[in-house]
Amino acid sequence: SQQGEEDPQALSIQEGENATMNCSYKTSINNLQWYRQNSGRGLVHLILIRSNEREKHSGRLRVTLDTSKKSSSLLITASRAADTASYFCATDARRGSTLGRLYFGRGTQLTVWP
Amino acid sequence: DGGITQSPKYLFRKEGQNVTLSCEQNLNHDAMYWYRQDPGQGLRLIYYSQIVNDFQKGDIAEGYSVSREKKESFPLTVTSAQKNPTAFYLCASSIISGTGLYEQYFGPGTRLTVT
Repeated sequence: SQQGEEDPQALSIQEGENATMNCSYKTSINNLQWYRQNSGRGLVHLILIRSNEREKHSGRLRVTLDTSKKSSSLLITASRAADTASYFCATDARRGSTLGRLYFGRGTQLTVWP
Repeated sequence: DGGITQSPKYLFRKEGQNVTLSCEQNLNHDAMYWYRQDPGQGLRLIYYSQIVNDFQKGDIAEGYSVSREKKESFPLTVTSAQKNPTAFYLCASSIISGTGLYEQYFGPGTRLTVT
């Protein structure tokens, strides 16, 4: 079963607006990561947040993590048409025998209109 | 250039044939992974390997096989036993950290169509 689930499944906004995507997960984690996938391509790592961190920034990206609610959010500020892609959260899950693998959600499809 | 490569980008096969997808990395990563992605779906783990000559089944290993004879190579064979093999296949690699702090690097993917 998948560990992370993103919400919403699809998001459509205008250029310049902010985009917020959410991720919920089920079990305790060591870290949570966000990836981006352009259509028909491989995934690209965006940002990693550790379980003892609450917020992290990278350029126009802001990620928050609330371990008490088992949720994370990815905010893209001042979005651009080039941000159009699918965004996935991935968790490692604190399961001893499965150290080294990630659990991916189904993703949020973001469309940014010029 | 350092990175992870997959070949071919598109692959067509007839039903009943085995097919092998290539994945090579020159990042000196210990761990390698194979995922399957269906339209509108997330990534599902097929197999992964953390060290040469060792690999573990993921969530959907049935109908697939792998080998890890070299650190830089992790080929995936889609056998005729896989009931619905048409999908987008992604290979990834990462370092191994005891604290679990790592990111995965992905190849460009292979789109397999079986008719």
